[in-house]
Amino acid sequence: NAGVMQNPRHLVRRRGQEARLRCSPMKGHSHVYWYRQLPEEGLKFMVYLQKENIIDESGMPKERFSAEFPKEGPSILRIQQVVRGDSAAYFCASSDLGQKVVHEQYFGPGTRLTVT
Amino acid sequence: AQTVTQSQPEMSVQEAETVTLSCTYDTSESNYYLFWYKQPPSRQMILVIRQEAYKQQNATENRFSVNFQKAAKSFSLKISDSQLGDTAMYFCAFMEEYGNKLVFGAGTILRVKS
Repeated sequence: NAGVMQNPRHLVRRRGQEARLRCSPMKGHSHVYWYRQLPEEGLKFMVYLQKENIIDESGMPKERFSAEFPKEGPSILRIQQVVRGDSAAYFCASSDLGQKVVHEQYFGPGTRLTVT
Repeated sequence: AQTVTQSQPEMSVQEAETVTLSCTYDTSESNYYLFWYKQPPSRQMILVIRQEAYKQQNATENRFSVNFQKAAKSFSLKISDSQLGDTAMYFCAFMEEYGNKLVFGAGTILRVKS
């Protein structure tokens, strides 16, 4: 029973390039969450998606960041024109229940993005 | 907005001893959920224990237990019989009753010494 999978585990980008981070939820899970962990800090919520819908993007920076969770395939977190401040660990989590009930979130191993 | 505060940046404990990690939070909600997550050097986030605010009984999972004081908005984690594998960063987290996002504290680094 595979857990939440994220790839790549490590990603190096030069300033101005695009970064694409992928997340495959646990089997049967249709809810995906993205969190960002800056060095020496806790995780910060970015966005919550269900299949083909963005439910809550209150934690997403207004520019350069976007997320999607298509009907088929993994969820993608996309960062355009990366800057050094984007260097962080990006975690994806998934769950299998809707908002009516607390849903336990299972985390992936994270993608460490380094911007040079 | 809810906030979660972990006032101990680092803690150390001898193997087999007991250690308590502190967490306080701020919310105006009456029902909510609290969690402790462990992040070992591998950086994988692992759920250790969770507590529903409407339950008065403190949650327990093997060597891990919590002291939930709702009125004081305090949620501490006690680790008994500490093991070397408990060395990790520990995060306290909050979620609204019908919420969809976890609010994390800054974390406490726990080092278990042999």
